[in-house]
Amino acid sequence: DAGITQSPRHKVTETGTPVTLRCHQTENHRYMYWYRQDPGHGLRLIHYSYGVKDTDKGEVSDGYSVSRSKTEDFLLTLESATSSQTSVYFCAISEQGFYEQYFGPGTRLTVT
Amino acid sequence: KNEVEQSPQNLTAQEGEFITINCSYSVGISALHWLQQHPGGGIVSLFMLSSGKKKHGRLIATINIQEKHSSLHITASHPRDSAVYICAVLMDSNYQLIWGAGTKLIIKP
Repeated sequence: DAGITQSPRHKVTETGTPVTLRCHQTENHRYMYWYRQDPGHGLRLIHYSYGVKDTDKGEVSDGYSVSRSKTEDFLLTLESATSSQTSVYFCAISEQGFYEQYFGPGTRLTVT
Repeated sequence: KNEVEQSPQNLTAQEGEFITINCSYSVGISALHWLQQHPGGGIVSLFMLSSGKKKHGRLIATINIQEKHSSLHITASHPRDSAVYICAVLMDSNYQLIWGAGTKLIIKP
């Protein structure tokens, strides 16, 4: 299995609070992605990174920001969490852009 | 109309049966990705293919680019194969991935 970890694995937070999720890889892959998975929607891309400090938006980027200061770490921040951001968040990595992706274990986030 | 359609949405079969899951798409692609997600959430990459056929253990994936169709087959199915199987296509126009909704497979002992 690709070396990808996510932290925290579970989080409950209140509406309006900031939340940061971390994805860490040991594979030295160039591309990193953040997805959310909700019932009835499948996987939806939030943001992705194609290198250190190089990021771009996905289809559901509103309300989220990302940062990548090191190859191995990709952070997803919810500046002010809302209940609609309750979801399971997956990080993924790939050597080539959008090619075969390897996924982290996921973070279950509940916004109350 | 969704650009990636998977069928069936749900499939229940007995242990040992030959399983086929289908993925059809309407866009031009450079590759197609099959993944597996077990209850509890972990997502595992199974195959990435752009032509022909790939095999890994009891799993076989085929793709027909002209017909815009791929199939995932499981031979001698086992209860541990119970999972959601997801296909995703890599568009050749902008190299974005479009995800199917998944097929939920249950294999009964």
